[in-house]
Amino acid sequence: DGGITQSPKYLFRKEGQNVTLSCEQNLNHDAMYWYRQDPGQGLRLIYYSQIVNDFQKGDIAEGYSVSREKKESFPLTVTSAQKNPTAFYLCASGTGSEQFFGPGTRLTVL
Amino acid sequence: AQSVTQPDIHITVSEGASLELRCNYSYGATPYLFWYVQSPGQGLQLLLKYFSGDTLVQGIKGFEAEFKRSQSSFNLRKPSVHWSDAAEYFCAVVLSGGYNKLIFGAGTRLAVHP
Repeated sequence: DGGITQSPKYLFRKEGQNVTLSCEQNLNHDAMYWYRQDPGQGLRLIYYSQIVNDFQKGDIAEGYSVSREKKESFPLTVTSAQKNPTAFYLCASGTGSEQFFGPGTRLTVL
Repeated sequence: AQSVTQPDIHITVSEGASLELRCNYSYGATPYLFWYVQSPGQGLQLLLKYFSGDTLVQGIKGFEAEFKRSQSSFNLRKPSVHWSDAAEYFCAVVLSGGYNKLIFGAGTRLAVHP
């Protein structure tokens, strides 16, 4: 089945730790995106990548980092510099103007 | 700045009743418009999209939306709501220029009474 997978579904982090969220797609899309979702808010763009080995900051990139070494993969690292990382994180991939979303990872800082 | 407004944070309807969720955008040109649905703890599923042409678009699950340029609106409708439609609904627009950046509204949470 074609689609986008995110792992883990739930992630707990101690303050001061870096954690990495996985996102994989087999839709052969060039573009991939990371969004953050907080209660009562829409999705906000963290990073995006239009092609392998290239990525750009979105609206709220501070405290996050990404890599795009393979077309299929776009992992997101939440660093200790992110002051309020508890949120629901959604990965998407896209072609043209349409984006398809993964099931999300809920990150909780203990 | 470009923005998307969903005026209703929560809406409650009875099963079988009609539904209209409002969406307004602020953008100089006609953007590409989308409606997504999200069940609790899940990702977003695309319901429908408008790029050009007929201003009434049909989507999945019996939903439709109408683009009204004069009102900068893209309201989502369903003639008869089912209990399984309870979810959060997001309107989004894509801005042209450089890359396909989706701008989301804050969402409308729909509750359905039996």
